[in-house]
Amino acid sequence: GAGVSQSPSNKVTEKGKDVELRCDPISGHTALYWYRQSLGQGLEFLIYFQGNSAPDKSGLPSDRFSAERTGGSVSTLTIQRTQQEDSAVYLCASSLGPLSSYEQYFGPGTRLTVT
Amino acid sequence: AQTVTQSQPEMSVQEAETVTLSCTYDTSESDYYLFWYKQPPSRQMILVIRQEAYKQQNATENRFSVNFQKAAKSFSLKISDSQLGDAAMYFCAYRSALFGAQKLVFGQGTRLTINP
Repeated sequence: GAGVSQSPSNKVTEKGKDVELRCDPISGHTALYWYRQSLGQGLEFLIYFQGNSAPDKSGLPSDRFSAERTGGSVSTLTIQRTQQEDSAVYLCASSLGPLSSYEQYFGPGTRLTVT
Repeated sequence: AQTVTQSQPEMSVQEAETVTLSCTYDTSESDYYLFWYKQPPSRQMILVIRQEAYKQQNATENRFSVNFQKAAKSFSLKISDSQLGDAAMYFCAYRSALFGAQKLVFGQGTRLTINP
């Protein structure tokens, strides 16, 4: 079946602009995660959605970052007033449910470059 | 907070040889999961192998095996009969078994090069 998909694959934006990154999880997966991969910080957790529960936003680095998940499926990560330090690969993952034993399946990521 | 450390930024091995990638972690929990992920240039993270902390037996997946030392908090990955397709970044990751503790905590990664 289809895996996790993300769009766009690459995004170049000017400092100060807003960007939206999209994630389509595997069909039937109720859990969705966003991670950021940057040279300076490595791979870090950003946010987690599980069904209709309130998301775990504990990893969001600032209030310029927000995410939503509509209809329990597609998720959008929004970065407002982008800064150069936001340049990174943003990875999305999904899993069957909230159990820690469930594998997280990753998408190919979106490479964001802020100029 | 849990931390994961990979002390080898880069490793190289001759094709068909065996290589071991190191990983240590720090946690106060007794139940958790450990993973090795592979990230090729395509950027997609691929699960290589996983280990449940409550299992004493080391996990194996074909040419990939781990040496899990719970007391030492060590989790190394051994790749036997290395192949050119094994070249990638390898990440060690930790995940708590507590319900609701969903995030993966990653190490900094090891870049593996396979020499033909």
